Amino acid sequence: KQEVTQIPAALSVPEGENLVLNCSFTDSAIYNLQWFRQDPGKGLTSLLLIQSSQREQTSGRLNASLDKSSGRSTLYIAASQPGDSATYLCAVEAYSGGGADGLTFGKGTHLIIQP
Amino acid sequence: GAVVSQHPSRVICKSGTSVKIECRSLDFQATTMFWYRQFPKKSLMLMATSNEGSKATYEQGVEKDKFLINHASLTLSTLTVTSAHPEDSSFYICSAMRSGSYNEQFFGPGTRLTVL
Repeated sequence: KQEVTQIPAALSVPEGENLVLNCSFTDSAIYNLQWFRQDPGKGLTSLLLIQSSQREQTSGRLNASLDKSSGRSTLYIAASQPGDSATYLCAVEAYSGGGADGLTFGKGTHLIIQP
Repeated sequence: GAVVSQHPSRVICKSGTSVKIECRSLDFQATTMFWYRQFPKKSLMLMATSNEGSKATYEQGVEKDKFLINHASLTLSTLTVTSAHPEDSSFYICSAMRSGSYNEQFFGPGTRLTVL
């Protein structure tokens, strides 16, 4: 059974810092990995999707890397801003030979950017 | 593009009533939608996979007679919580998978269910 772990569980840093969020998964047979952002009481916003054949994806100040063989992904946030404060979730979709699978989520990293 | 809506956003009901939650993909067709549940300070847990025109596939431990799923069109899936009880109170989120997007899932804003 796939398990996804995110470290740290919570992080508080001053504005402007660069930071790294970590995600690990136990089964490397994945189809893709996604990073999401969730604001309190809200749904999810997709940030980046990395296919299993890719090593990284970039969107603005965000960069996500994937090392499938070691079961790890990192989300790098450059020049953090107070508006980045949210919970960041990592999720993987298992490879099921063509069919679509639901996602297995980590518990998230609660990020606070201090003004 | 790739917007998913959910209705209602919040519902409070008495124990024993049934509640229907709608999930719609507004600007794309989704042959597959998913329903997740999130308890406070916990990660999202997949409840079931909803395929258009066929029966839903439920995850282990999820009662299919309790959580009825209907995916009657390519843009709409519904989750009905039957005979709701306080332990069903949770945050329910749906997602829709857009075809040709490497299985990227787009999430709705969620529905907060409180059963009194």
